[in-house]
Amino acid sequence: DIQMTQPPSTLSASVGDRVTISCRASQNIGKWLAWYQQKPGTAPKLLIYDASSLQSGVPRRFGGSGGGTEFSLTISSLQPDDFATYYCQQYNGSITFGPGTTVDIK
Amino acid sequence: QLQLQESGPGLLKPSETLSLTCSVSGYSMSRGYFWGWVRQSPGKGLEFIANIHRDGTTHFNPSLKSRVNISLDTSQNQLSLRLTSVTAADTAVYFCVRDLIMTGLFDPWGRGTLVTVSS
Repeated sequence: DIQMTQPPSTLSASVGDRVTISCRASQNIGKWLAWYQQKPGTAPKLLIYDASSLQSGVPRRFGGSGGGTEFSLTISSLQPDDFATYYCQQYNGSITFGPGTTVDIK
Repeated sequence: QLQLQESGPGLLKPSETLSLTCSVSGYSMSRGYFWGWVRQSPGKGLEFIANIHRDGTTHFNPSLKSRVNISLDTSQNQLSLRLTSVTAADTAVYFCVRDLIMTGLFDPWGRGTLVTVSS
């Protein structure tokens, strides 16, 4: 099984900050990684797929990078609507989600 | 606009069978895509359960496969899930999802329905 890790579990930031969230896979998954945003009481929302492709309708301040086993989600300038939990998910033959990183207010 | 809405019993007893339905509006399931279920619990986080295509092709989480049945009714535009022999570990919010690529790219998601297993 491919395991996904996302340290740290919580990240504190301020509006306007550049924020980078990390995700690591236990084995090489190529570019087959997605990022989702989830706010309390709602369903996850797809932000990024294929490691760096922006899903339609997602603001351009969100960007993804990486490949193999190391990936990042960057928010170029954090907005009030961006305080949420972010999950990575690999889809390289099997499907596994990371435990999530919560971005909260510093 | 595509919308997915889950429905089903909120409370089950251990050993019972969970049955959920997802009603899809704004898109005909007979046109294509895979449709599936993902659940979320405090203990296990987000977990893929299974998906299905109109041609009958299915994919399952190996850890749940022996207890899961998934079906698609394109005439009713509905997706169904059955999970047998439930335990407290199956307590979770169950989401209905469209899978864009067959192998796990989920968009959009339904609002989710909470299922609690308790005696």
